[in-house]
Amino acid sequence: ETGVTQTPRHLVMGMTNKKSLKCEQHLGHNAMYWYKQSAKKPLELMFVYSLEERVENNSVPSRFSPECPNSSHLFLHLHTLQPEDSALYLCASSQENRNTEAFFGQGTRLTVV
Amino acid sequence: QKEVEQDPGPLSVPEGAIVSLNCTYSNSAFQYFMWYRQYSRKGPELLMYTYSSGNKEDGRFTAQVDKSSKYISLFIRDSQPSDSATYLCAMMSIIQGAQKLVFGQGTRLTINP
Repeated sequence: ETGVTQTPRHLVMGMTNKKSLKCEQHLGHNAMYWYKQSAKKPLELMFVYSLEERVENNSVPSRFSPECPNSSHLFLHLHTLQPEDSALYLCASSQENRNTEAFFGQGTRLTVV
Repeated sequence: QKEVEQDPGPLSVPEGAIVSLNCTYSNSAFQYFMWYRQYSRKGPELLMYTYSSGNKEDGRFTAQVDKSSKYISLFIRDSQPSDSATYLCAMMSIIQGAQKLVFGQGTRLTINP
C-alpha cells in the first residue's frame, strides 16, 4: 500500500458511456497527477494539480476532464472515449516544492469497447 | 526525437548477474533523474533518484548520471529473481512547484533462477 488509492481497479466502458476514475492520497501531499500508461509506450503525463490548481494539461483531448476538489482527492471524468483510450491510468501525488518521491497508485485498467 | 530514450528489452539474465540499464535524454532542463520499478499489475515505485552527475549507491543498486552526455544508468549487482520487473527511467523538471516527470518506455527485466 503506497498511500495512494485508486478506484476502480478495472473498468470496462462503452464509447457512449460516462464514467469517473477516483484517486485519494493519505500522505498529506498537495500536488496530484494523472498519467496514462499504454502498451509499448512510455508513461505519459496528462494533468498536474498543485495546491488544487491545474498547472499542466499535456494536450489531452477534452473527453478527459480532471477535477481536484481538495488536496487529497483527484478525479478523471471520462466521456465518449475511443478504443485507443484503453490503458492503465495512474494517479500520483507529491509534496509541492520539495524534490521528494512521487508516490503512485496501483492504477485503473480501463478498457473501452 | 523522443525526450527520453530507453531500450524496452526484454532483458533476461541468470541469477547473480550484473544488470545494466540505460537511458538517454535530450532536454537539458531536466533537473532530477530517477529510476522506478514496476511489478506486474502495480504502480511504479521509486528506486533511486539523483540530481548531479556521478554515482549514487543504495545496496545492490547504483545509479549513474552523466549530464554532459545526457546519459543515465542503473546497475543491479547480484541480481535476484525478485528483481524481475519493468524498470523505468524518468527525468524530472519542476513546474509551478509540482513535478513533471518524463518517462522512458521501460525495460522489462527477468532474472532466471
